[in-house]
Amino acid sequence: SAVISQKPSRDICQRGTSLTIQCQVDSQVTMMFWYRQQPGQSLTLIATANQGSEATYESGFVIDKFPISRPNLTFSTLTVSNMSPEDSSIYLCSFRRGDSLNTEAFFGQGTRLTVV
Amino acid sequence: TQLLEQSPQFLSIQEGENLTVYCNSSSVFSSLQWYRQEPGEGPVLLVTVVTGGEVKKLKRLTFQFGDARKDSSLHITAAQPGDTGLYLCAGVKAAGNKLTFGGGTRVLVKP
Repeated sequence: SAVISQKPSRDICQRGTSLTIQCQVDSQVTMMFWYRQQPGQSLTLIATANQGSEATYESGFVIDKFPISRPNLTFSTLTVSNMSPEDSSIYLCSFRRGDSLNTEAFFGQGTRLTVV
Repeated sequence: TQLLEQSPQFLSIQEGENLTVYCNSSSVFSSLQWYRQEPGEGPVLLVTVVTGGEVKKLKRLTFQFGDARKDSSLHITAAQPGDTGLYLCAGVKAAGNKLTFGGGTRVLVKP
């Protein structure tokens, strides 16, 4: 089974500051994904991160607010910049080993962010 | 508006009862996956259905993919407290495309 480690698991941050979330995978993967989730609700894709290229952002998300790094095939970071209380949410990283119809998605345990 | 609509949003039942969760769309999906997520954890894959009309069973869980590949259902027989969690359906329109998640169904099974 795949191992994907995400940290921190939770944080409480002051508005106006930034938080960087790290995601480490135990093997090389081409694409990693970053999601946002309100507790008990669905996942919203923020961006797709490929190694060696800029991340691709979904509608409503911009690089200045959510810069992503992908320095190698096992690691990625998501930064939540200039935070406001509206950014309070759970952030999850994910990857899929392939892109066929039945490829499983693996997720980190999530980072619960509270902005005060 | 979500491409995949799940219903109900929340379900609370007693241990031993049966439940069904629905995942519907106006679009055709090439495959559909069901995930379960527990608090403080990421979603974990339960099953993938690919063929229209397909039925898969996983112990007390039965998954069905609609003939037109626009809908799916998850049925749990004799639910147990360990079945409590957030159930998410996720579809892929074509190979190489990203996953699209449904709105989620929170299931609470009371002992």
